[in-house]
Amino acid sequence: IQLTQSPSSLSASVGDRVTITCRASQGYSNFLAWYQQKPGQAPKLLIYSASTLQSGVPSRFSGSGSGTEFTLTISSLQPEDFATYYCQQLYAYPLTFGGGTRVEIK
Amino acid sequence: QVQLRESGPGLVKPSETLSLTCTVSGVSFSTGNYYLSWIRQPPGKGLEWIGYVYYNGATNYNPALKSRVSMSLDTSKNQFSLKLTSLTAVDTAVYYCARVLVVGRKVIDAFDVWGPGTMVTVSS
Repeated sequence: IQLTQSPSSLSASVGDRVTITCRASQGYSNFLAWYQQKPGQAPKLLIYSASTLQSGVPSRFSGSGSGTEFTLTISSLQPEDFATYYCQQLYAYPLTFGGGTRVEIK
Repeated sequence: QVQLRESGPGLVKPSETLSLTCTVSGVSFSTGNYYLSWIRQPPGKGLEWIGYVYYNGATNYNPALKSRVSMSLDTSKNQFSLKLTSLTAVDTAVYYCARVLVVGRKVIDAFDVWGPGTMVTVSS
């Protein structure tokens, strides 16, 4: 299953609302996860099952969508949120990831 | 608190076999219902799932790598391992081990605990 993220990069300011989209070539229901990765670090799970916030993740992160189109929203961007974000489909093997969206400081 | 840490050679020659180990601390494999995965990331690129091994030794590999991959568990040492044969430059990447998220008895197939990663360079 191919995952296409858009945009591939964006520039935003602290306090902005940011939305990232992930489209799957095929899918069903809520089989999607989102990760945040900072340079030199392993990815961190933010959301699974499309909208379930992983324990310890701030509530400014939210996920929505179903089937083949999903979104990750950061309601008010904080300095520590500048990173690359990846979606991952949970629907079929092999498990696959999107190409990433880099969120940079404007 | 569950922690994972990868170990292995940082440099491997083309055509050779890569062997990596992931040591799990903070929990015993004997508790069961554990899926542990290997994922890799070439420099500056995205993530690729390599496969996973279940606590009973069952495995599931990415078809793109299946002919070259094997994974196994050593429950006495709380370790699991990855072997990747016939290496080429395209196998140069950071290799991560990660735990598959299980909620109740449901396997979610997302990765909730990651090791810090180990860089592997394939070069002569």
